[in-house]
Amino acid sequence: LAKTTQPISMDSYEGQEVNITCSHNNIATNDYITWYQQFPSQGPRFIIQGYKTKVTNEVASLFIPADRKSSTLSLPRVSLSDTAVYYCLGIDRNGSGNTGKLIFGQGTTLQVKP
Amino acid sequence: EAQVTQNPRYLITVTGKKLTVTCSQNMNHEYMSWYRQDPGLGLRQIYYSMNVEVTDKGDVPEGYKVSRKEKRNFPLILESPSPNQTSLYFCASSFQQGHYEQYFGPGTRLTVT
Repeated sequence: LAKTTQPISMDSYEGQEVNITCSHNNIATNDYITWYQQFPSQGPRFIIQGYKTKVTNEVASLFIPADRKSSTLSLPRVSLSDTAVYYCLGIDRNGSGNTGKLIFGQGTTLQVKP
Repeated sequence: EAQVTQNPRYLITVTGKKLTVTCSQNMNHEYMSWYRQDPGLGLRQIYYSMNVEVTDKGDVPEGYKVSRKEKRNFPLILESPSPNQTSLYFCASSFQQGHYEQYFGPGTRLTVT
């Protein structure tokens, strides 16, 4: 089972940088690492994806070490509107090579305070 | 506008009364999936479909059925709903399996009494 492990919750203040780390056991060699954001009463939203080293977009940066056993989502200078649940996605291949079974888990609830 | 739509958005029903939640996407995506979200348990996959007529179980398939007769539609069927299926349900789609950028629908809040 491709289980991911991330902190259940984090608190931060406006203007700070927030780093959320996820550990990926059994990640496959060719799997991308993917993160989602979910606001209350909405469906999750894809925010960033990477394979190795560092990826940056307008929302976040993603750092992936060489061994790919973890990843860190970095949110620069958070604001109150970044309060959300953040998920790193796991893929359960179940020995079949099938990549359709996806594991979101509980995610990390980020609370940004003024 | 590219989107995933679900209907109904809210539903209150009684135990044992069959219901269907529809899901439709207009992006010509091959992969579609259903999730349920419960407090403290996060988002869990119920069923997924890699293409027309190809479906498979996710983590929590018991009590649910799906079908994929057309590429754009992926209905979720509860043949005999029970109170433990009270939950928030999301449908999602992506270009194909292995492409993890999924687009989610707005959710369906189901209450079974």
